[in-house]
Parts: sequence; structure tokens; C-alpha cells
Amino acid sequence: DTGVSQNPRHKITKRGQNVTFRCDPISEHNRLYWYRQTLGQGPEFLTYFQNEAQLEKSRLLSDRFSAERPKGSFSTLEIQRTEQGDSAMYLCASSHRGLPAQETQYFGPGTRLLVL
Amino acid sequence: RKEVEQDPGPFNVPEGATVAFNCTYSNSASQSFFWYRQDCRKEPKLLMSVYSSGNEDGRFTAQLNRASQYISLLIRDSKLSDSATYLCVVNSNAGNMLTFGGGTRLMVKP
Repeated sequence: DTGVSQNPRHKITKRGQNVTFRCDPISEHNRLYWYRQTLGQGPEFLTYFQNEAQLEKSRLLSDRFSAERPKGSFSTLEIQRTEQGDSAMYLCASSHRGLPAQETQYFGPGTRLLVL
Repeated sequence: RKEVEQDPGPFNVPEGATVAFNCTYSNSASQSFFWYRQDCRKEPKLLMSVYSSGNEDGRFTAQLNRASQYISLLIRDSKLSDSATYLCVVNSNAGNMLTFGGGTRLMVKP
């Protein structure tokens, strides 16, 4: 399978714990995105990388959240001191740089986080 | 006000029906537009891009009205397998972030 992969697929944690999620994009894609989706809502943008550079961050990304893409390939999203409001599906997407109308973002299956 | 607004539905239609979804967006500088489909507990998948001249892909037709900042999706001859949530998506002028509407849920019944 050469699509976007995410690990773990599910994570249950207690409030206050740290969690880290991993995303492996499609191999030739140089752009990688993180989104968050809560029940009944559409995904919300969190941050985006072009190669290893983090180019944009949403206001949703509080200082408890950090994302890295150290070698321009896989990415990690860490949430420190988790809160119950962090419970959501965390989606990763990747794309190959192109014209906006032609650049398709392909999504991974997501990591579903539940904070107790 | 949300940047991309959709009627959440659900739209309950019989097989073979024609159904239309609408979406409005608030950022007049938006450059590109898409419809994504999301099945229950799955990731969003691109259904089709939306072009100014309108475009068709089989049973699906998308229209864009930039003056009214309005996007539509028409599904003809609905199939049971069309049951899903349809997400209206806009690529804002600022960077490559996608802005999603809340989705419209479609249920096609036999």
C-alpha cells in the first residue's frame, strides 16, 4: 500500500499525559499537512510542511502541540499535557507541490485520540 | 460565521433520485474548490475539483459561482453506495491549507 499511513490508529490516554502520532506520507510528496476532526465537523487545519520546513501553523495549534518533519519524510505530532478537549481524529495528508487547483491532498486513515 | 457553510442534512433519498448539495464560502480570495467524500469513520477522499466553467464526472456535476461565492454538487441516479458525508472544501489564498465545511450527510435508501 503506497498511500498515507498513520500510527497508531487509536490512542486512549489519561488527561495530563503526552502522546505522539506518526505520519508517513506518499513517498514522492513534498508537502505534509495535519488536520483535526471532531464528531460532526469537517477537518480543521493545524499545520503544514514543505519538505522539512514548517510553513504554516493554525491558531488551533496551542503551545502544547508540536509537529516535526526532520528529514522531510515522515512527520510526528506531539501533544503535551493532554486535555479532554484534545479528543478527536488527527488526520495527516500529503501532496506534491503544484498549482492550487491541481494539487490534491491525499489523507491517511487518521489517529483517533480519546483523552479520559 | 464559518468560512465554509453547508447544510448538515441528513438528506434521505431513494435509489435513482437526483440530489443537490449547496455550499457557500466567505473568503472572496479563495482560489480553488473541491468536493471530498467521507465515509463513516474513514478519511476524506477527493471526489472532484470544481472549476469556474462547471464540470461533470459521470453522475456527478459540480458548479461554482464566484460572484455569489456558492458551490454546488449534483448527484444523478443515486446509488446505495453514494451514502456518505460530502465535504465542501476551499483552498484559501493564504497558503495551502484546505478549509472544510461541516459536511452534508447523504443516505440513499433502497
